Amino acid sequence: GNSVTQMEGPVTLSEEAFLTINCTYTATGYPSLFWYVQYPGEGLQLLLKATKADDKGSNKGFEATYRKETTSFHLEKGSVQVSDSAVYFCALRTGSARQLTFGSGTQLTVLP
Amino acid sequence: IAGITQAPTSQILAAGRRMTLRCTQDMRHNAMYWYRQDLGLGLRLIHYSNTAGTTGKGEVPDGYSVSRANTDDFPLTLASAVPSQTSVYFCASSVDGNTEAFFGQGTRLTVV
Repeated sequence: GNSVTQMEGPVTLSEEAFLTINCTYTATGYPSLFWYVQYPGEGLQLLLKATKADDKGSNKGFEATYRKETTSFHLEKGSVQVSDSAVYFCALRTGSARQLTFGSGTQLTVLP
Repeated sequence: IAGITQAPTSQILAAGRRMTLRCTQDMRHNAMYWYRQDLGLGLRLIHYSNTAGTTGKGEVPDGYSVSRANTDDFPLTLASAVPSQTSVYFCASSVDGNTEAFFGQGTRLTVV
């Protein structure tokens, strides 16, 4: 079956620090990969996505590259801001299952 | 404003009571989903519907039922609530099973 493993949190960084949140997956077929963000008290919002190997998704300074050889989709940002404090979820979807499978989430806190 | 509306926002429910969580979307999306979010477990799929008139079981369907009488509405019913159903419930929708999912704001349910 499908599964997503995320780096355990919580992660605490100072403003302008470099961020990496690791995500690896197991899937049948060729999944699409997603990063969702959940700000306090809100629902999940799509942050970025990649639908095939070597694709790079990017949004709001965040990037993630679909690496088929290492089955990974690590989230990175060069300089985090206090406003990036949130929970980040890695997820995948395959054509056969059609539903999203989520990782356990990583809490990020950015301090001024 | 287009999107997904969930109701109620929060609820405290006595064990053994019946409860229906409401979800309505106005984006004419074909697919809809119910997830529960629990600390350390991420989001787990309860039930889904790929199109009006059809439903399917997700990862954790026991104790829950759904219906999809039309495109817009996808209510989730707890027939006889138990404390282990204390969670935050998210409804989501997508154009189809291969595109990004949009999430509601969530319903925080406490069963006592």
